[in-house]
Amino acid sequence: DADVTQTPRNRITKTGKRIMLECSQTKGHDRMYWYRQDPGLGLRLIYYSFDVKDINKGEISDGYSVSRQAQAKFSLSLESAIPNQTALYFCATSDGQRQYTGELFFGEGSRLTVL
Amino acid sequence: GNSVTQMEGPVTLSEEAFLTINCTYTATGYPSLFWYVQYPGEGLQLLLKATKADDKGSNKGFEATYRKETTSFHLEKGSVQVSDSAVYFCALSSGGGADGLTFGKGTHLIIQP
Repeated sequence: DADVTQTPRNRITKTGKRIMLECSQTKGHDRMYWYRQDPGLGLRLIYYSFDVKDINKGEISDGYSVSRQAQAKFSLSLESAIPNQTALYFCATSDGQRQYTGELFFGEGSRLTVL
Repeated sequence: GNSVTQMEGPVTLSEEAFLTINCTYTATGYPSLFWYVQYPGEGLQLLLKATKADDKGSNKGFEATYRKETTSFHLEKGSVQVSDSAVYFCALSSGGGADGLTFGKGTHLIIQP
């Protein structure tokens, strides 16, 4: 089983719908992240969380919200999806003890299409 | 702010060719540098890393040396295989107040038999 699991892996939705992407991890890491991948743009950070009570905006947080329900779970929500949020979304984790190396562990991605 | 610039792709090579993918960075302080690889349909996985100047990261025949004087971390492999076809991302971590990694745009590598 994967250490970082994302659900759903694929989702097609319509403009204006609310969407939640979920991420759970068994690595015991304290830090979790949501990235978005677009062709030609690489990965961009949406939100990150150092622990359950600490949520931080990343580079492109507008139009997104997150919830850290437990140390192992970090959800990304699109309150009202729009077509330019069509992308591949990745959850990642890191061990806070390795803060100065910054190595991340990624899930397999959630492909979201907004029509 | 931090940024990473890597060569545009796709890069197409024949099997057993020599590979170089250039990566340069801009960062404050002393960042750690990474190469991640993304195989088709999968998430990113760490390929190699270097945490200080002149360090050489290596894995699976790939190498990259942290060059502070040229702010570079170029990825090299002496003889590529078809199985190396993937998207390669250069990234840095500043370890400062903002966490996570800053990624380059990715280089799509295609190896032809």
